[in-house]
Parts: sequence; C-alpha cells; structure tokens
Amino acid sequence: AQTVTQSQPEMSVQEAETVTLSCTYDTSESDYYLFWYKQPPSRQMILVIRQEAYKQQNATENRFSVNFQKAAKSFSLKISDSQLGDAAMYFCAYAGNNRKLIWGLGTSLAVNP
Amino acid sequence: DVKVTQSSRYLVKRTGEKVFLECVQDMDHENMFWYRQDPGLGLRLIYFSYDVKMKEKGDIPEGYSVSREKKERFSLILESASTNQTSMYLCASSPGRSNEKLFFGSGTQLSVL
Repeated sequence: AQTVTQSQPEMSVQEAETVTLSCTYDTSESDYYLFWYKQPPSRQMILVIRQEAYKQQNATENRFSVNFQKAAKSFSLKISDSQLGDAAMYFCAYAGNNRKLIWGLGTSLAVNP
Repeated sequence: DVKVTQSSRYLVKRTGEKVFLECVQDMDHENMFWYRQDPGLGLRLIYFSYDVKMKEKGDIPEGYSVSREKKERFSLILESASTNQTSMYLCASSPGRSNEKLFFGSGTQLSVL
C-alpha cells in the first residue's frame, strides 16, 4: 500500500527567507501524481502545486517549487521569499491509479516577522 | 471560481442524534469526497462518490453513510452520533476521471456532547 510521510511536524521561517518542507512516499506504481496542499487558519484547503510523475521537470508556481526525486521517492516543497500569509498547515498527497489521495500528516509552518 | 459549500461551519449535537452534513458544489464535478481531519491523524477518507447515486467506502466508513441524489450535492449522515465522531469534516470535489486537483469546502467542526 502507498504511504506518504512528512517528517517535520512543525517548521518556522523568517519572513523573506526560504524554507523547504520534506515529503517522502512509498509506491510500486510508475504513474502517479503528487500534490502539496495548504490549509491556512481559515481551514479551506487549497492546492499549492501538482507534479506528474512522468514529467522530469520540477513543477513551479510563483514562489513555490518542488524538488521531485522519483528514484528516491522524495517530493519536497520550497517556499521562496516567505510571506506572513504562507503560515499554514501544508499537506503532501499522493494519487495513484485508483484516484484516491493518500495524505501525509502535515507540517505546520510558522512565518516570523 | 469553483465553490464548494458546506452547510455549517460549527455544529454541536448530542450523543445519539442523527446528523446531516451537507455539501454542495457549483462546477458540475463528477467526484465528491468526505474526509474527517483530526490532530495528529491527518485527513482520512470516509466516503466518496464518482457519480450520482454512486458511493464507495473510504478508509473509515463505520458509523457514517452518504447520499448523492443530485450531482451537485453530497450528504454525510451520522445515523447515531457518538463522542468519537467529534471532528473537523471536510468536503471536496474534483472533475472527471483524471487526478485533477481537489476543491475543498471550509469544513464543519462537529462537536458531539
């Protein structure tokens, strides 16, 4: 069965600096998708970034980028120029052939002014 | 923008009551999901539906049922609420059969006393 592990329950970063959140996963599938979702204090979960496993190129969305290492089964999220609004819970998720998402337990990110 | 609306943000119920949590999406999405979110346990899938009148059990369906009579509405039913069902409930929807992103509602914090 697939699993997703986020080894950092809590992280903090200074405003304007860069932080990397870790995610590893386990699967025997070759085609799958990986996601980072953000849940701010308002509770509404929103998609930050999505990566398709067959694409070599790392996905990027403005200040958010991933380091996707397929062989190592690693999918870390880098947030550049951190802003106060980036403070949230971040969840890593995996979607394989059955379309059901497998979720990590989340990393709580604090941004210090 | 896609909107997923959950009928209540906060709900307090008594043990043994029948509880309905309603979720409506306005983008004609085929797929709808109910999750519960608990500290330290992440998101756990309760039930999901890929079409009208269709439902499938997720990872923790015990004590819950669902109804999807119309494409836009997916209801979660607690037949006889218990204190261990106190939790945050998140509804989500997504289009089609591919692993597109999920759109989430703002969640319902349910307390069962």
